[in-house]
Amino acid sequence: QKEVEQDPGPLSVPEGAIVSLNCTYSNSAFQYFMWYRQYSRKGPELLMYTYSSGNKEDGRFTAQVDKSSKYISLFIRDSQPSDSATYLCAMITYNQGGKLIFGQGTELSVKP
Amino acid sequence: GAGVSQSPSNKVTEKGKDVELRCDPISGHTALYWYRQSLGQGLEFLIYFQGNSAPDKSGLPSDRFSAERTGGSVSTLTIQRTQQEDSAVYLCASSLTPSQGGPSYNEQFFGPGTRLTVL
Repeated sequence: QKEVEQDPGPLSVPEGAIVSLNCTYSNSAFQYFMWYRQYSRKGPELLMYTYSSGNKEDGRFTAQVDKSSKYISLFIRDSQPSDSATYLCAMITYNQGGKLIFGQGTELSVKP
Repeated sequence: GAGVSQSPSNKVTEKGKDVELRCDPISGHTALYWYRQSLGQGLEFLIYFQGNSAPDKSGLPSDRFSAERTGGSVSTLTIQRTQQEDSAVYLCASSLTPSQGGPSYNEQFFGPGTRLTVL
């Protein structure tokens, strides 16, 4: 079993929809929780990160972390065709230096 | 400013040949990482360099894989006697010194990757 599980999709939604992306994890030592966005043939870019539990909002994006359930989410409001990409969750602990542990990634397509 | 650059962008090789992949990190970043992204396995950590410390090689899949970082800057990932299962996108990332605690996180910036195909 992988340390971080993510539904690979693909997920297709109409423009303007609310998108919910989720990951579960098994290692309770994870402290930082990230969401990366990756366009085709590009490297991942950091969208948001959350330290420990809680919510964080940035424009149309909201990240949630529930450490008690070992579950994280990314919500995208008013989705746009330009949001079409693969979304990867990633996690890290203090004592593993910089080693990111990634989910499989969810491929999202927003249809105009 | 310039981001992380990788070369070549694409590499096609024959099974059994050796390949070298290069990464130029962002200037001033002390930490450098290599990851591999393949269809079946997603994005996996390979190796991590931080300053002058011994690298964390815990993600290297076999002894055919090695990496070095010269002068604390450019890094080269070498795969010897390539196999078809080595076909993947190899991504390099760099960051400032990784956080040791507290809410701030030093982002890892990724390069565009090298797409390796082993025939």
